[in-house]
Amino acid sequence: NAGVTQTPKFRVLKTGQSMTLLCAQDMNHEYMYWYRQDPGMGLRLIHYSVGEGTTAKGEVPDGYNVSRLKKQNFLLGLESAAPSQTSVYFCASSYSMTPGANVLTFGAGSRLTVL
Amino acid sequence: KQEVTQIPAALSVPEGENLVLNCSFTDSAIYNLQWFRQDPGKGLTSLLLIQSSQREQTSGRLNASLDKSSGRSTLYIAASQPGDSATYLCAVTDQTGANNLFFGTGTRLTVIP
Repeated sequence: NAGVTQTPKFRVLKTGQSMTLLCAQDMNHEYMYWYRQDPGMGLRLIHYSVGEGTTAKGEVPDGYNVSRLKKQNFLLGLESAAPSQTSVYFCASSYSMTPGANVLTFGAGSRLTVL
Repeated sequence: KQEVTQIPAALSVPEGENLVLNCSFTDSAIYNLQWFRQDPGKGLTSLLLIQSSQREQTSGRLNASLDKSSGRSTLYIAASQPGDSATYLCAVTDQTGANNLFFGTGTRLTVIP
């Protein structure tokens, strides 16, 4: 059981380049999330999805786009990367968003550096 | 906006010692509080989830308490082992509608053999 898999694990971009991070889960979870983790700050929610074909903005959505074309995949895109987007990105999924049942399973993270 | 604080940022203890990690949050209108463990280069692993109506949860050598009215939670680790070395994060689920998790910055624990 792979759980939540993120690709790539590492990436270096130049300012203005675009890229997509892929998150795949094999647990048939409805809900998926993208977080970023920066030094000295807690994880912050970028975007999330409550099901196939749906997405919603989180706390820090600017500069990112997402898509959930298939239930098992949640893509995070950077159209024009900026140095402020240098971070470690975590994908997570959960069976439910019901308070008390929102136990998240996290991927191992993707470290992105924008020069 | 909910803010979650964890103090200290880092903690070193000798093996076998009991220890307490602290978490505080500013808005008591939460659904639950979770404690996570993060190993270097890895994702987060959920350790314990405490509902807002509960006072504590236990799992093995771990015991988490919640005082919602004062905005505090503690994670007690008994008889610490070198394998407990990791960063411990707490997060609260707020009641603003999005069920978003608000994370603290974590406490990096080192257990010295």
